[in-house]
Amino acid sequence: ETGVTQTPRHLVMGMTNKKSLKCEQHLGHNAMYWYKQSAKKPLELMFVYNFKEQTENNSVPSRFSPECPNSSHLFLHLHTLQPEDSALYLCASSQVSGTSSYEQYFGPGTRLTVT
Amino acid sequence: QKEVEQNSGPLSVPEGAIASLNCTYSDRGSQSFFWYRQYSGKSPELIMSIYSNGDKEDGRFTAQLNKASQYVSLLIRDSQPSDSATYLCASANQAGTALIFGKGTTLSVSS
Repeated sequence: ETGVTQTPRHLVMGMTNKKSLKCEQHLGHNAMYWYKQSAKKPLELMFVYNFKEQTENNSVPSRFSPECPNSSHLFLHLHTLQPEDSALYLCASSQVSGTSSYEQYFGPGTRLTVT
Repeated sequence: QKEVEQNSGPLSVPEGAIASLNCTYSDRGSQSFFWYRQYSGKSPELIMSIYSNGDKEDGRFTAQLNKASQYVSLLIRDSQPSDSATYLCASANQAGTALIFGKGTTLSVSS
C-alpha cells in the first residue's frame, strides 16, 4: 500500500459540497489513473494521465474534475455530486512505454458517501 | 464495447485443493493480461501478469494465456483460507493506455 497513497480514506459529503481526493505514487511511474468501484459492477476507468497529460476521459460527468500537476500527484475534484456517486474511488499508477502497458498498482482507495 | 467476462461465483474449494479461475476477453488486440486479488473492503492487489501464450508460474499461482481462444486463467495450488477473496481479470486495450476489468470471481476456500 505504501507505493500509492490516497487521502482521505473515508469521505462523507453533501450534494452541495466541494471536496478533493488526493493520490500520490512513490514508484517512479509515468501514468496515473482514477477508477470508480461500485457494488456489483466492474472497476470503471474514469481518467488516465500519461506524462501528466490526460489521455482518456471515459464519459465522466463534469462534476468530477481531475488534476495532475506532476507525474507523482493526482487529484480528483468533486462538486455537486449525486447519491449514486457513492463508491470506492481508486487511484493507480503504472509505467507506460509506447503502446506497452505494464502492471498497475492501486492505492487503498477513498470510500465516498454522498448524502 | 470491449469486455472481459468472468464467472462471478462463488467458487468454493476445500483447503489444499486447486482453484481454477477463468476469464475471456473480447479485444483481439490485447497484448497484456493481469490477475488481481481483492479482499473485502480493500483495494486490488496485483498477483500475476502474463503477456505471452502459455503458462507462467509464480509460487502457488499459475497464469495461462491462450490468445487464439481469447482466454486467460489462474490456477491456485494448495488453496488456503487466506486465498478467499475476489479475483479480478484485466486486459490492456490495444493502445496500452487502459485496463479493462471483469466483474471478478469470488473464491471461498474452506478449512
